[in-house]
Amino acid sequence: QSALTQPASVSGSPGQSITISCTGTSNDIGYYNLVSWYQQDPGKAPKLIIYEGNKRPSGISNRFSGSKSGNTASLTISGLQAEDEADYYCTSYAGRSTLVFGGGTKLTVL
Amino acid sequence: EVQLVESGGGLVQPGGSLRLSCVVSGFNFRSYWMHWVRQAPGKGLVWVSHINTDGRTITYADSVKGRFTISRDNAKNTLYLQMNSLRAEDTAMYFCARDAVQGIYAFDLWGQGTMVTVSS
Repeated sequence: QSALTQPASVSGSPGQSITISCTGTSNDIGYYNLVSWYQQDPGKAPKLIIYEGNKRPSGISNRFSGSKSGNTASLTISGLQAEDEADYYCTSYAGRSTLVFGGGTKLTVL
Repeated sequence: EVQLVESGGGLVQPGGSLRLSCVVSGFNFRSYWMHWVRQAPGKGLVWVSHINTDGRTITYADSVKGRFTISRDNAKNTLYLQMNSLRAEDTAMYFCARDAVQGIYAFDLWGQGTMVTVSS
């Protein structure tokens, strides 16, 4: 149950697009199409923004999109806004009814 | 209102025990898989445990296996986490979370968390 690898931080200016990567293995991201992404504001509970790799829950802006290539999943936020500044976490199903999280990425909007 | 409300956290000595509860309202609890997730202060999220709808399928992270026990009472709309042999590294905010659809491991509803501090 090793954590997925995310960059510790990313930054971008308002209006730009950023991408956060999430690298796993052939036993989790590479095998299952069950990657989710969460947004977490300080002191708050996480919020689901992407599930099953590229699906958005109701109410989530289409500026958020997910993709996968091999053992790496990615979250792209387009048209960056100040309100997007938060911590972002990826997760992947890892078999045997277990789940693994990424270490988290702090997004700074410059 | 659809919500999850955790309770039961607090300060406990190493080796001690705590039982966390997560009371749900506003949706059909017995139809959803449930999970516990924790977050140490200033650190990332870590999946802890999962339980299916009838409580017969349960899994744990290696770090808590043999020490923590997840359970549910569908009649009381309540999820539990019994934590024994607590260690300093168990210090964290503990969240209960609902699996949006059975087996997709996407948590669409979270509680506000309950803090557990293990210290002498």
